[in-house]
Formats: sequence, structure tokens, C-alpha cells
Amino acid sequence: GESVGLHLPTLSVQEGDNSIINCAYSNSASDYFIWYKQESGKGPQFIIDIRSNMDKRQGQRVTVLLNKTVKHLSLQIAATQPGDSAVYFCADPGPPDAAGNKLTFGGGTRVLVKP
Amino acid sequence: GAGVSQSPSNKVTEKGKDVELRCDPISGHTALYWYRQSLGQGLEFLIYFQGNSAPDKSGLPSDRFSAERTGGSVSTLTIQRTQQEDSAVYLCASRTTNEKLFFGSGTQLSVL
Repeated sequence: GESVGLHLPTLSVQEGDNSIINCAYSNSASDYFIWYKQESGKGPQFIIDIRSNMDKRQGQRVTVLLNKTVKHLSLQIAATQPGDSAVYFCADPGPPDAAGNKLTFGGGTRVLVKP
Repeated sequence: GAGVSQSPSNKVTEKGKDVELRCDPISGHTALYWYRQSLGQGLEFLIYFQGNSAPDKSGLPSDRFSAERTGGSVSTLTIQRTQQEDSAVYLCASRTTNEKLFFGSGTQLSVL
């Protein structure tokens, strides 16, 4: 996969508010994207994924939006809770015919939930 | 096991020493990845194993880094003559083809 994201900004959000985390990708052939959550001292954990034949997918309190025109995806967390404090990464496994499937990660966004 | 297991969870070593980090992937997962994560940074791809194919080593930062995967299961990442800039969390992950990655908790390496 190509480069994805490449910075680690911090999003500070009040408990109960909604959070929106953004990610840009560069490979227009990419057809599958994954969001991961990484809490302090732990490895990344899968949150939600989306394929390019969709522009929206909903999970429990999370929604991922995909805009293929501008190569952008976002993760929305509804009613953010203290347990949502973590670093969030978007990941791109690369185009379906890639031999390597390196699963390139964006730089991540740190979400801090204020009580 | 139920998930990806990495050992040790923490490793402190002196500059110039060699270290070995171990990863036990989820049983049956054919793909195994190593990533490096420096403090406050994203995940840097190191190496990728897929079945019996030759590994993709394109992310290894220098020839001091090597990895092997024995019997298509356990993998060992070796760093020779460690340097202070090697200090990071080393994450291992596994998956079946085209499915999401499952990560271990990582090995925190500190080179003094």
C-alpha cells in the first residue's frame, strides 16, 4: 500500500460529544480500509472496516465514511466515553493484486476524552 | 492460543548487544507481520511473511535486522549490535489472507 495519513495529531473531546477522526490515502486502487484503536501499552485492536463498494458503514457507536473521490475516510465515534481515549489508526492493505499486502498504517490520531 | 503472543513484553539491553524477539501468531494464520512503533509515532512496517513465499523484507531499516519464521508459525525478529535508536515497541501481527490483522501486545525494547 501507499502512504496513509502520516501525522499524529491530538483530538481533545468532551465526554458525551461526538468525535471525528480523519485519514487520507494516496492509492486510488485501494479497495479495503481498516480502523484500529490502540490503548496505552497495548497492540492495535480492530474497530471497523469498509470496502470501496460502500461509502458508509456503521458499528456500535462508530461509523466509517469513505469518500473515494478525494481519497479520504473518517471514523466517527458517537457519545465519546473515557474508554475511547486511545490512538486511532487507519490502515490500507494495498491494492488487491499487490504481492506484498504490507498493510500500510496512517500516523494515527490521539483522542483524549475530557470528563 | 487465543491471540497473538509476543515475548518478552519488555527487554532492556546494552548498546552493542544482540536481541531476539519472539512472536507466536494465531494458529492457522498464514500471514505474519512485524512493525516498529517509536514513542508517540505510527506503525513502521518491517517485514512480512506469507505462507511459504519469500518474505518481504523491504521495511527492515538496516542489515542489523533480520527475521525468520520457522514451520510457518513462530517468528523471531533479531536485532544485532543494538543501537539506542532501536528503542521502540516491536509489534507482531497475523491474519488470514485479506482479513484484518490481529496484533500482539508488543515487546518494549530499551537500548541503554
